[in-house]
Amino acid sequence: AQSVTQLGSHVSVSEGALVLLRCNYSSSVPPYLFWYVQYPNQGLQLLLKYTSAATLVKGINGFEAEFKKSETSFHLTKPSAHMSDAAEYFCAVSGADSSYKLIFGSGTRLLVRP
Amino acid sequence: KAGVTQTPRYLIKTRGQQVTLSCSPISGHRSVSWYQQTPGQGLQFLFEYFSETQRNKGNFPGRFSGRQFSNSRSEMNVSTLELGDSALYLCASSSSMAGGPDTQYFGPGTRLTVL
Repeated sequence: AQSVTQLGSHVSVSEGALVLLRCNYSSSVPPYLFWYVQYPNQGLQLLLKYTSAATLVKGINGFEAEFKKSETSFHLTKPSAHMSDAAEYFCAVSGADSSYKLIFGSGTRLLVRP
Repeated sequence: KAGVTQTPRYLIKTRGQQVTLSCSPISGHRSVSWYQQTPGQGLQFLFEYFSETQRNKGNFPGRFSGRQFSNSRSEMNVSTLELGDSALYLCASSSSMAGGPDTQYFGPGTRLTVL
């Protein structure tokens, strides 16, 4: 069965600092991996996705993630945090079975201090 | 292209009632999935419809049902509401043409409160 673990329910950084949000997955086959962001009272917005092409994936708003098979990780990073990055971030996995459903991690709330 | 739309955005019901939520996918998308989001359980998959057929189903009781119309619009229904059904219900659409998991685009959700 597939699963996703996001380490840290809350991460706090200063504006301009590096953002690192951790995601580890469990999957018996090469997975499809996604990062979504959710702002208050809104749905989920896709940041980026990995589908077995390049292991370093660039997304919107300056975010990127690196797929590391040996570590079963797909951590999300951004070199310099902006106040507008404050939101909840979800890592998700899909594809190991015939279902196309997304299996989500528990989410990480990013706080950006001025 | 217009995004995924969901109606209504907010809904208040009492225990025992039933509710119907609506989702209009992105034009051209044939797959619609539904997810429930709660503080305690997080984001959980309810079901997925493709070309008017339920293709996948999550682990929810039979009180939760859905359907998809020929124009790909989808509805989900919850009967005999319980307090624990209070949640944000998210709809997502994808083109599902690649033969594998495709990007799912989410709507803004319907916030259901059960009193």
